[in-house]
Amino acid sequence: EAQVTQNPRYLITVTGKKLTVTCSQNMNHEYMSWYRQDPGLGLRQIYYSMNVEVTDKGDVPEGYKVSRKEKRNFPLILESPSPNQTSLYFCASRSLQGPRETQYFGPGTRLLVL
Amino acid sequence: AQKVTQAQTEISVVEKEDVTLDCVYETRDTTYYLFWYKQPPSGELVFLIRRNSFDEQNEISGRYSWNFQKSTSSFNFTITASQVVDSAVYFCALRSDYNTDKLIFGTGTRLQVFP
Repeated sequence: EAQVTQNPRYLITVTGKKLTVTCSQNMNHEYMSWYRQDPGLGLRQIYYSMNVEVTDKGDVPEGYKVSRKEKRNFPLILESPSPNQTSLYFCASRSLQGPRETQYFGPGTRLLVL
Repeated sequence: AQKVTQAQTEISVVEKEDVTLDCVYETRDTTYYLFWYKQPPSGELVFLIRRNSFDEQNEISGRYSWNFQKSTSSFNFTITASQVVDSAVYFCALRSDYNTDKLIFGTGTRLQVFP
């Protein structure tokens, strides 16, 4: 079954304590992305990756890091979380562009930074 | 700069009514892609459709249809004979075609379909 998995699904942490949210896809997709969703602001892209070792900033990259060492994994790292990073995070993957592009999203990670 | 506007914050309809969700976009690119996504109350995100900027043909999928009009920079989504299961937040999004995967979303429209 095609899927994108994220862990953890829920996380409560404190300001400054480094954390990593993992994302993994089983479809051999080249493209992966991270988004955050906040009330009234919709979804905003944090980082994206177009292949292994190729990453680039989205609209709101400040305070986040990513890495793409393997095709299937795209972890999101918060080196020093702050309360304004409290949000719902989604990872996504998609195949190369073509008439049959399909995108898959992970189930979301709800993060609370105290 | 690219921008996507979904002016309708919330729409309420009664089952079996037709409803149109508006999406207006801004871009200077000549080639781009437009998307719609659904987020039901359970919270997951579901990809619905991608439309290329060079293909203005309208698309229909069951009760769903999409109207892309370059002249007005709009990509509207119509649900015919709405059902309670259509209740969700719907997002429109825009992506340039130029060697990027940057995706710009609108703020979403919450659709409530009452029985």
